Amino acid sequence: QKEVEQDPGPLSVPEGAIVSLNCTYSNSAFQYFMWYRQYSRKGPELLMYTYSSGNKEDGRFTAQVDKSSKYISLFIRDSQPSDSATYLCATPGYSSASKIIFGSGTRLSIRP
Amino acid sequence: GAVVSQHPSRVICKSGTSVKIECRSLDFQATTMFWYRQFPKKSLMLMATSNEGSKATYEQGVEKDKFLINHASLTLSTLTVTSAHPEDSSFYICSARDTSYEQYFGPGTRLTVT
Repeated sequence: QKEVEQDPGPLSVPEGAIVSLNCTYSNSAFQYFMWYRQYSRKGPELLMYTYSSGNKEDGRFTAQVDKSSKYISLFIRDSQPSDSATYLCATPGYSSASKIIFGSGTRLSIRP
Repeated sequence: GAVVSQHPSRVICKSGTSVKIECRSLDFQATTMFWYRQFPKKSLMLMATSNEGSKATYEQGVEKDKFLINHASLTLSTLTVTSAHPEDSSFYICSARDTSYEQYFGPGTRLTVT
């Protein structure tokens, strides 16, 4: 079983829709979680990070962690064509100082 | 925010030659730098972790003699692909981390070996 699993998509939604991106992780000891956005032929950029359970909101983006089910989500409200990218969930695993474990990434396309 | 640059952004080289890719943290000191490889439509694969002034730690299956990593200062790490072959063609991305857990990624270098 992979440590972080993510549906690769592709996912295509119309502009303005709410997007839900999801990942599962295998180890209940993991505490920190991140979402990265990667445009084509570019390096990933950190979108959001969360610690432990709960929600964190930043503009149109909301990151959610459910430790009981080992499930992490990223919601995008009022999606825009500029949100079209690959989204990667990630965790540094046991410790914030550890190397990052990435999901496989979900390719998202927002249709105008 | 923290900025990481990579140079060159694209490089084409002939089979058998060596190529050096630079990764720089522009506005912070990077105690740790990471090198990743990414194939089309795939996720990032960690190749090695380097701490300033120390030898790099390579992931299983990554040839340390083929992918030479140097982290001589707190703002610069280099990856040298030695005796490159077409199968080494890929997108190479570095990232840098200061004392926090956040990693800041470079824009990537596309290597094509002909």
